[in-house]
Amino acid sequence: QQQVKQSPQSLIVQKGGISIINCAYENTAFDYFPWYQQFPGKGPALLIAIRPDVSEKKEGRFTISFNKSAKQFSLHIMDSQPGDSATYFCAAIPEDTGRRALTFGSGTRLQVQP
Amino acid sequence: EPEVTQTPSHQVTQMGQEVILRCVPISNHLYFYWYRQILGQKVEFLVSFYNNEISEKSEIFDDQFSVERPDGSNFTLKIRSTKLEDSAMYFCASSDGAGTTDTQYFGPGTRLTVL
Repeated sequence: QQQVKQSPQSLIVQKGGISIINCAYENTAFDYFPWYQQFPGKGPALLIAIRPDVSEKKEGRFTISFNKSAKQFSLHIMDSQPGDSATYFCAAIPEDTGRRALTFGSGTRLQVQP
Repeated sequence: EPEVTQTPSHQVTQMGQEVILRCVPISNHLYFYWYRQILGQKVEFLVSFYNNEISEKSEIFDDQFSVERPDGSNFTLKIRSTKLEDSAMYFCASSDGAGTTDTQYFGPGTRLTVL
């Protein structure tokens, strides 16, 4: 019940295309959903985050779509660029409980081809 | 831009030996964390630390693990008697404590190899 399931495991997109990464959760206590981006040799870095009181959040080329009833959320990268090539992790926190431990998805390795 | 640093970048040890992984969190941050990532698997939470005590820990964080803030800048993870399955990338993170969902900033990690 604590898991966050992420797909696909890897993704190849052409430059300028849309990258879509999906996550699903079961624990209804989760109420804060960040996405992290990790480049080789670096630690994960916060990219964008959403709370379930909104269905979409956009920051530049990155958009999170959230479906509370389906307990699913996804990251869309518009106009994907080679510099976006990285591993992306969705995560979740049960904010209302006061806990801070991030529960991560399994990660998606994105490769944007020039 | 302030960042979390970790040393060493790679540690090789023999099974049964003790290892200490070191982290320097961002200077004004109040919460400190350790996560690990076994090769090819997801990042997993180990422990969080606040006000000189453990605030939260996972089932992975058993008696073989301990954390300490020995001075005003360092945060350490000790594994008392390493096992083969402890081989992983260990990430330290810190956050400013402004709220439960304050951003956790991750270091570059220490790759631990247990032989």
